[in-house]
Amino acid sequence: GENVEQHPSTLSVQEGDSAVIKCTYSDSASNYFPWYKQELGKRPQLIIDIRSNVGEKKDQRIAVTLNKTAKHFSLHITETQPEDSAVYFCAASRGNAGNMLTFGGGTRLMVKP
Amino acid sequence: DGGITQSPKYLFRKEGQNVTLSCEQNLNHDAMYWYRQDPGQGLRLIYYSQIVNDFQKGDIAEGYSVSREKKESFPLTVTSAQKNPTAFYLCASSPPGRGLAFFGQGTRLTVV
Repeated sequence: GENVEQHPSTLSVQEGDSAVIKCTYSDSASNYFPWYKQELGKRPQLIIDIRSNVGEKKDQRIAVTLNKTAKHFSLHITETQPEDSAVYFCAASRGNAGNMLTFGGGTRLMVKP
Repeated sequence: DGGITQSPKYLFRKEGQNVTLSCEQNLNHDAMYWYRQDPGQGLRLIYYSQIVNDFQKGDIAEGYSVSREKKESFPLTVTSAQKNPTAFYLCASSPPGRGLAFFGQGTRLTVV
């Protein structure tokens, strides 16, 4: 089955700096890669997703890049703000149905003011 | 917000007891899911249902049971067979062809 590794497990940045979180996956048939943000004690929120037919997708300060050959994808947050502090999860699947998703272990991002 | 309601928010279970976590959605989604989240780990799938009166085991179904008698409701029972039930439980739903974007607010279950 699919295996998703996420790094780093914790990341501390200064407000205004960029943050990058990386994930690798094992199943070359995976074609859907969402990212979730989860604040402490709250529900995960889908913040961006990418499909395997594109290499990059941007939405304001966040972007995701995908390298299918190397089987890795990354989340980039620019101009970080304290409200970006949360746990971020990547996931991978062969389709976009929830039963197919394999999640990474999460990255705790701390943005210091 | 989100259209998925989980209850209760906090639940305490004694050893040997069964407990049921509620999940209701008004989004008219066919697919519903239960995930378990432990500290420092990603979400793991317990059970899912893609249509009323049908459900499938996920990766960690042992010690859990579900039912799907109505489209709106997908309750999860944590049985006494689940030896380590203390965790954060999340219910989710999704429309056809869309990613997993709708989560409930979660139930934190603690064994006392």
